[in-house]
Amino acid sequence: QQQVKQSPQSLIVQKGGISIINCAYENTAFDYFPWYQQFPGKGPALLIAIRPDVSEKKEGRFTISFNKSAKQFSLHIMDSQPGDSATYFCAASKIPTSGSRLTFGEGTQLTVNP
Amino acid sequence: ETGVTQSPTHLIKTRGQQVTLRCSSQSGHNTVSWYQQALGQGPQFIFQYYREEENGRGNFPPRFSGLQFPNYSSELNVNALELDDSALYLCASILKGGNTEAFFGQGTRLTVV
Repeated sequence: QQQVKQSPQSLIVQKGGISIINCAYENTAFDYFPWYQQFPGKGPALLIAIRPDVSEKKEGRFTISFNKSAKQFSLHIMDSQPGDSATYFCAASKIPTSGSRLTFGEGTQLTVNP
Repeated sequence: ETGVTQSPTHLIKTRGQQVTLRCSSQSGHNTVSWYQQALGQGPQFIFQYYREEENGRGNFPPRFSGLQFPNYSSELNVNALELDDSALYLCASILKGGNTEAFFGQGTRLTVV
């Protein structure tokens, strides 16, 4: 049951370019949409997250764009750097008061060439 | 660092055996979730524990079970291991009070042969 679909599966960008990763979700009850970054041999680390009451959130070079009506959200990495080379996962969850159960996309392997 | 530590980092087991994976969370993180991440895929939710009780489960059979202890540590137990259980197992802890950020450990790489 794939509730969060992520694309592309892999992405190659030149240093200084813009990396764009897209996700679409099905469950309209989701109300928390984080992006995780994972390096080989490490667990996922939270990069940036958005709630559906805003359409965009920016933190440094990372921006989430959110389209509630289309049930889509995307991650934009500006001025991409070789150190950004990693696997990126979008996720979604419905937040109860005591925690969250994350549904992840399948991941995008980003390579930033120097 | 996330403050979430998993052990062991790597493990090789034989089909049919049982395995116990461990996770140690930060003080005050009273919710812990376990995920299975197959190679090249996103993590899949196994179950969640809150105040030492299971309070949510994904599409995993009963041979996947867990425990959470008062000292913010937890265990994932898998019985009757199958080859398809080979994966990276991740635990994630969440700060008490409904904070939405989940902190992941580095994972345990389980190989079933």
